[in-house]
Amino acid sequence: GDSVTQMEGPVTLSEEAFLTINCTYTATGYPSLFWYVQYPGEGLQLLLKATKADDKGSNKGFEATYRKETTSFHLEKGSVQVSDSAVYFCALNAGNMLTFGGGTRLMVKP
Amino acid sequence: KAGVTQTPRYLIKTRGQQVTLSCSPISGHRSVSWYQQTPGQGLQFLFEYFSETQRNKGNFPGRFSGRQFSNSRSEMNVSTLELGDSALYLCASSPLRGANEKLFFGSGTQLSVL
Repeated sequence: GDSVTQMEGPVTLSEEAFLTINCTYTATGYPSLFWYVQYPGEGLQLLLKATKADDKGSNKGFEATYRKETTSFHLEKGSVQVSDSAVYFCALNAGNMLTFGGGTRLMVKP
Repeated sequence: KAGVTQTPRYLIKTRGQQVTLSCSPISGHRSVSWYQQTPGQGLQFLFEYFSETQRNKGNFPGRFSGRQFSNSRSEMNVSTLELGDSALYLCASSPLRGANEKLFFGSGTQLSVL
């Protein structure tokens, strides 16, 4: 079946460091791919999405490129801030429901 | 514009009891989806309702059920609670069907089963 694998956390970075959170997927067909973010005590918020191969999603300085050849959708940000501390979920849409990865906790220290 | 509202925020129940959780979607949104979040299993899809009809269902036992009302508000019910049902239950709404639409999540209901 469909599945999403994310790097395990926590990922601890200093402010202004470069961020990469790896995400790979297994799916039949050509799913849409998403990154959601969950701040403490809140629900999930859509961060960015890509609907076809080679699409790049971007938002708030975060970027991810849909790589069909490597079945990946890695999340990157050039310079993280303390306010980026949260749990990040990679997800795919297949059959009109989201399949999520296990989540990666990011901690950014001043 | 008010966001997705889930009530109650916290619930404590004992094994064997049943529970009903409520979700009010964003005004104008007709699709409501439910997800279960646990430390062990992560986020798992429960079901989606659109126009008062269940359109999609995840791999959960029949103890988990839901419904949607004509005003798009949704409830989910879990009967004969088990310890493993302890989780954060998230509701998400969107204007149209399908997870390709931007989903707006509520803050969830934290259910503890003792």
